[in-house]
Amino acid sequence: GESVGLHLPTLSVQEGDNSIINCAYSNSASDYFIWYKQESGKGPQFIIDIRSNMDKRQGQRVTVLLNKTVKHLSLQIAATQPGDSAVYFCAENKDAGGTSYGKLTFGQGTILTVHP
Amino acid sequence: EPEVTQTPSHQVTQMGQEVILRCVPISNHLYFYWYRQILGQKVEFLVSFYNNEISEKSEIFDDQFSVERPDGSNFTLKIRSTKLEDSAMYFCASSVQKGAYGYTFGSGTRLTVV
Repeated sequence: GESVGLHLPTLSVQEGDNSIINCAYSNSASDYFIWYKQESGKGPQFIIDIRSNMDKRQGQRVTVLLNKTVKHLSLQIAATQPGDSAVYFCAENKDAGGTSYGKLTFGQGTILTVHP
Repeated sequence: EPEVTQTPSHQVTQMGQEVILRCVPISNHLYFYWYRQILGQKVEFLVSFYNNEISEKSEIFDDQFSVERPDGSNFTLKIRSTKLEDSAMYFCASSVQKGAYGYTFGSGTRLTVV
């Protein structure tokens, strides 16, 4: 079946370091990918997204890379701060032709801990 | 910034009881969703709702579940006869357009079935 998974369940970094969180997806038909941040007791918060016609997208301190050849997605956080500590989820959507009503398939999540 | 509001934040119920989880989506959004997250696990899709009908549902969303938009502002998830395994965080989300772009999630309702 379709699945989105993560290679590393936990990641600990020092403040100021760059963080890289990885995600593998198995549905080659997926064409839209999103990274979410989830803090304790809160809902998923949008970080950045990318469509399958791109291989890189940058935001403020974050970059998402998409490698469709190996079905791999990564989130890079520059100069990681203690406030970045959270669980990070990748999610995928198959939106080709506008037929999707927006169902997201989430990965397992990576716990990022940033030490001061 | 507009928010998706969910109430209550925590609901405790006895097994077999009915519960209704409430959500107020962002006012100009047209597509509504429920997801759940069992403790320590990933977020799972339950159902999407548009134009007053279910547009897609998962295998989790069986006959015990129903959704409703009763008054044009609220969006509810009802579980008819709760089971212990229904204990989870339930997240409502909404979006202004079809597809996954522009989703906004609420902060969730923690449902505990005892």
